[in-house]
Amino acid sequence: EAGVTQFPSHSVIEKGQTVTLRCDPISGHDNLYWYRRVMGKEIKFLLHFVKESKQDESGMPNNRFLAERTGGTYSTLKVQPAELEDSGVYFCASSQNSGKNSPLHFGNGTRLTVT
Amino acid sequence: AQSVAQPEDQVNVAEGNPLTVKCTYSVSGNPYLFWYVQYPNRGLQFLLKYITGDNLVKGSYGFEAEFNKSQTSFHLKKPSALVSDSALYFCAVRDITGANNLFFGTGTRLTVIP
Repeated sequence: EAGVTQFPSHSVIEKGQTVTLRCDPISGHDNLYWYRRVMGKEIKFLLHFVKESKQDESGMPNNRFLAERTGGTYSTLKVQPAELEDSGVYFCASSQNSGKNSPLHFGNGTRLTVT
Repeated sequence: AQSVAQPEDQVNVAEGNPLTVKCTYSVSGNPYLFWYVQYPNRGLQFLLKYITGDNLVKGSYGFEAEFNKSQTSFHLKKPSALVSDSALYFCAVRDITGANNLFFGTGTRLTVIP
């Protein structure tokens, strides 16, 4: 089966610009997560979708970040306007069920650089 | 509050020697514990997990980890390191009674020296 795919793999934008990251989860996985790793720090949770609904968005840093999952398939994460501190690697992950003993399947990440 | 600590940013080990990557955690309730590995330019790959039962869990590529409740630790181990094990390793925890998201450590870069 195809894994979690993320696009683009890299993005370099200027401060104030807008960027949209995309994640395609594994087919049939209802749960979709976004995480972010800022250089050298821990991987931090951003939000969790169950199908098209936001189950938990407690990790979203501020209202410059908007995540959507229309139709419960792929998801987008938009940053508008981007700031320097938004630089990092954004990971998407999916799982088939919401059980807490289920491991997440991660994509390769999108490396975002804001200059 | 949930948190994970990986005290070593970097671990170097000679090929063929045993390796240990340390992890301690903090949760309010009981933990589910996970190890992930990230190879260069790749995503995180699941290695192993502790849910319940035997404190020693075995995972992919010959790795194992030991859950120690009294020390709140979940150290990753392998009896004989390979050069191909060189990668970034992340420990993660979920609180059984808490939110569904994973809490990760800062990662440990393992370098196996030929």
